[in-house]
Amino acid sequence: AQSVAQPEDQVNVAEGNPLTVKCTYSVSGNPYLFWYVQYPNRGLQFLLKYITGDNLVKGSYGFEAEFNKSQTSFHLKKPSALVSDSALYFCAVRALSGGSYIPTFGRGTSLIVHP
Amino acid sequence: DGGITQSPKYLFRKEGQNVTLSCEQNLNHDAMYWYRQDPGQGLRLIYYSQIVNDFQKGDIAEGYSVSREKKESFPLTVTSAQKNPTAFYLCASSIAGQGLMDYGYTFGSGTRLTVV
Repeated sequence: AQSVAQPEDQVNVAEGNPLTVKCTYSVSGNPYLFWYVQYPNRGLQFLLKYITGDNLVKGSYGFEAEFNKSQTSFHLKKPSALVSDSALYFCAVRALSGGSYIPTFGRGTSLIVHP
Repeated sequence: DGGITQSPKYLFRKEGQNVTLSCEQNLNHDAMYWYRQDPGQGLRLIYYSQIVNDFQKGDIAEGYSVSREKKESFPLTVTSAQKNPTAFYLCASSIAGQGLMDYGYTFGSGTRLTVV
């Protein structure tokens, strides 16, 4: 069975500082990894993905994530946070499981960027 | 523009009523999904469908029903058997398999269901 852990319910950071939102995963086989962002009362929006290739993946709005196979992690990062980055962030893993590719989502991390 | 449309945005249900949430996509995706979101619990899979006229139960299917008569549409009915239906419901779609063009899910904007 596949699983995703987001160990922090909430991350607080000052505007202009770097931010990290943590994600670890467990799968059999090669994972596809995703980050999504959700603003209040909206659906999830795709930020970035890792499928293969370079371990550092760049995505939308200046976000990036680093795939670390040995640590089974896929942490989301941004060099300089903006107040507008405040939102709920979900990590997801997708791998072949029981003949289908149903993703598993983490519980979400609320990012709060203070002015 | 291609995307997923969920309607209505807000829905109120009386005790004992069935209600149906609409989900339509024009992305030509084979797979469609329904998730329930509650505060602090992330996304929980209700039902999914990978092909027309076929669907599978997810982790919390009790009290819900779905149909997939058309590729574009995947309505969710919340029945009176669902004892705690107040939640935010999200519909999503994706390619059925997995590949380099896989962008995971495309989500609708959600329907907030409240029992009154």
